[in-house]
Amino acid sequence: GNSVTQMEGPVTLSEEAFLTINCTYTATGYPSLFWYVQYPGEGLQLLLKATKADDKGSNKGFEATYRKETTSFHLEKGSVQVSDSAVYFCALSEKAGANNLFFGTGTRLTVIP
Amino acid sequence: EAQVTQNPRYLITVTGKKLTVTCSQNMNHEYMSWYRQDPGLGLRQIYYSMNVEVTDKGDVPEGYKVSRKEKRNFPLILESPSPNQTSLYFCASKGRIAGSTDTQYFGPGTRLTVL
Repeated sequence: GNSVTQMEGPVTLSEEAFLTINCTYTATGYPSLFWYVQYPGEGLQLLLKATKADDKGSNKGFEATYRKETTSFHLEKGSVQVSDSAVYFCALSEKAGANNLFFGTGTRLTVIP
Repeated sequence: EAQVTQNPRYLITVTGKKLTVTCSQNMNHEYMSWYRQDPGLGLRQIYYSMNVEVTDKGDVPEGYKVSRKEKRNFPLILESPSPNQTSLYFCASKGRIAGSTDTQYFGPGTRLTVL
């Protein structure tokens, strides 16, 4: 079956620190991988995505690389800001264009000045 | 502006009192879906719809109903709410472009409390 496992939070970092949030997946076939972000009081927004092995998704200074050999899609950012404080969800869809998403449990990030 | 809207945003109700949470999208998307978000469990899919009059169960459909009479609307119905349905609910929609992985657009969420 399909599942996503991401590191449990909460994660608290100082401003300008390096961020890694781990995400591994189990899937049949060739999934597409996503990171969604949920800012306080808001719905989920797509942060970045990758649709095939070795693809790197990037947006707003965040990056994640689709690693098929380790079934991972870790989220990284070199220097976090207070405005990055949010809950981050790793997700997969079974294949490119598929509709249903499978989410991880979410990781809450708090960045302190 | 492309968006998914949900109403109400907050609702407190009592056990057994039927309620409907509305969802509407203005992007002419075929696919719509409902999720619930609970601490430590992430988002779990309740129901989804591939198009008008086409709906199917997700991972946690018990206690919920949906309908898709129009393309833009996908209401979530709780016929007899119970306290274990206290949760944060998200509606999402997605278009279909051949050969691409489309983005799902999420509504702002509805926080439901069932006493």
